[in-house]
Amino acid sequence: DTAVSQTPKYLVTQMGNDKSIKCEQNLGHDTMYWYKQDSKKFLKIMFSYNNKELIINETVPNRFSPKSPDKAHLNLHINSLELGDSAVYFCASSLGGGGQEQYFGPGTRLTVT
Amino acid sequence: KQEVTQIPAALSVPEGENLVLNCSFTDSAIYNLQWFRQDPGKGLTSLLLIQSSQREQTSGRLNASLDKSSGRSTLYIAASQPGDSATYLCAGGVENYGQNFVFGPGTRLSVLP
Repeated sequence: DTAVSQTPKYLVTQMGNDKSIKCEQNLGHDTMYWYKQDSKKFLKIMFSYNNKELIINETVPNRFSPKSPDKAHLNLHINSLELGDSAVYFCASSLGGGGQEQYFGPGTRLTVT
Repeated sequence: KQEVTQIPAALSVPEGENLVLNCSFTDSAIYNLQWFRQDPGKGLTSLLLIQSSQREQTSGRLNASLDKSSGRSTLYIAASQPGDSATYLCAGGVENYGQNFVFGPGTRLSVLP
């Protein structure tokens, strides 16, 4: 049984396009996260979302917007894609707010050409 | 700003050796700490979580400790096996960051048969 799943696994698109990445967790967790892992393998949090409270990493461009239709889903929508957006994006979830044990999805490798 | 260092950046050992991976935070105000492993092209797998009231955790051949006063954590791997080869990441929940995790750059471990 997959705990945290993401689709698609790979995404190749051109600059200027708009794309979405979907994330679903079946763990019954209250909090979900989006992380970005760049080419140097640094993993940085982009958003955390708990009970409709969104905490944004201030360094994230406003072209990135998380959307949560329900507690089990947190999608990431990206407008006007740029070359620098190429990275691996990970979704994660935890029971409760920050500081709880986090479970990660398999990642979505985004390549912008 | 919280920064995380992991030493060594890479490590290669023969099978059977005991080894220690180190993680340190510039700001010792760590709420809790989680260790992960990441296999190439894969997501993160949670190994151990040291809660705010704890100082160490053990799981099988793994033992992790956290010294909040110094902002340092170690991951001890006993009797290493080739299957332990992966990148090991530490992540600290930061008090002044909504207790969200700040990740280290990782230690790339190779265990040679």
